[in-house]
Amino acid sequence: KQEVTQIPAALSVPEGENLVLNCSFTDSAIYNLQWFRQDPGKGLTSLLLIQSSQREQTSGRLNASLDKSSGRSTLYIAASQPGDSATYLCAVGEEYGNKLVFGAGTILRVKS
Amino acid sequence: ETGVTQTPRHLVMGMTNKKSLKCEQHLGHNAMYWYKQSAKKPLELMFVYSLEERVENNSVPSRFSPECPNSSHLFLHLHTLQPEDSALYLCASSLGLRVINEQFFGPGTRLTVL
Repeated sequence: KQEVTQIPAALSVPEGENLVLNCSFTDSAIYNLQWFRQDPGKGLTSLLLIQSSQREQTSGRLNASLDKSSGRSTLYIAASQPGDSATYLCAVGEEYGNKLVFGAGTILRVKS
Repeated sequence: ETGVTQTPRHLVMGMTNKKSLKCEQHLGHNAMYWYKQSAKKPLELMFVYSLEERVENNSVPSRFSPECPNSSHLFLHLHTLQPEDSALYLCASSLGLRVINEQFFGPGTRLTVL
């Protein structure tokens, strides 16, 4: 059974700092990996989608990498801003089963 | 806005009530999903519909009853719920069923069961 773990569970940083969020998964048979952002009490907003054949994706200040063989992904946020404060979720698309399996998330707080 | 709307946004109900959650997508997608998000736990997939047919039921108690009358609308009928069912219920849709298709999420319904 696929399990997705996100570390750390919570993170508090001063504005302007570069930071890394980690995601690991137990079964490397994945189609893709997706990073989402969730604001308190709100739905999920997709940030980056990495296909299993790709190594990384970039969007603005965000960069996500994927190492499928080791079961790891990182989300790098450059020059963090208070508006980046949210919960960040990692989800893997299972190759067999056609499901997204989510991690529990990392709660990020960027202090001004 | 993701093109997926959910109503109501907040719902408080007693254990003997019957209520329904509604989801509507304006994206022309063919697959729709219900997820449950409890505090400090990962999102749990509850139901999957493809072209109005249920294709997945993840061992969800029968007090949750989904309905998909057409590809744009999805309901979750609630009956005789328990306090542990209090959670954020998220609806999502995708162009097709396979995970290569990106899922778009609604804002969720915050459910409190007293």
